[in-house]
Amino acid sequence: AQTVTQSQPEMSVQEAETVTLSCTYDTSESNYYLFWYKQPPSRQMILVIRQEAYKQQNATENRFSVNFQKAAKSFSLKISDSQLGDTAMYFCAFMSWKDSSYKLIFGSGTRLLVRP
Amino acid sequence: DAMVIQNPRYQVTQFGKPVTLSCSQTLNHNVMYWYQQKSSQAPKLLFHYYDKDFNNEADTPDNFQSRRPNTSFCFLDIRSPGLGDAAMYLCATSRESALDWVGEQFFGPGTRLTVL
Repeated sequence: AQTVTQSQPEMSVQEAETVTLSCTYDTSESNYYLFWYKQPPSRQMILVIRQEAYKQQNATENRFSVNFQKAAKSFSLKISDSQLGDTAMYFCAFMSWKDSSYKLIFGSGTRLLVRP
Repeated sequence: DAMVIQNPRYQVTQFGKPVTLSCSQTLNHNVMYWYQQKSSQAPKLLFHYYDKDFNNEADTPDNFQSRRPNTSFCFLDIRSPGLGDAAMYLCATSRESALDWVGEQFFGPGTRLTVL
């Protein structure tokens, strides 16, 4: 069974600085997708960034980038120039085709606080 | 804007009193999901509809049921809520087909259920 592990329950960063959130996963599949979702306090979950396992190039979305190490099964998220609005719970998620559908498996989350 | 809408945002019910949560979407996505998210935990998939086909997770209690009368709407019915069912319930959608896969799930804002 696939598992997703986020070893940092909470992190804190000064505004404008860079922070990296860690995520590891375990799977025997070769074709899958990885995501980082952001869930701000009392607001809905939104997709931050996605990575297809077959792509070697790391995904980037503006201030957000990932370090995807397929052999190590590692998928970390780097947030550059942190902003107060980045304060949220961040979930790493794994997706593959199973039981006739794509299913997301979430990690336990990392609560990020951006300090002014 | 196309979106996923959940009503109500907050629901209070009594122990054992049936309750229904609703989800609607304007994205015209063919897959709809229901997740349960307890405080400071990752979302846990309860079930999903692929078009009209219902797919229940093996560990979803029988107390939880779902209906999807049309593409846009999906309901979560809790037949006899217990104190342990108090949680945030998230609805999500995605578009999946042999030719076109969005690759992400779009989440609603959630309904926070309190059981007294």
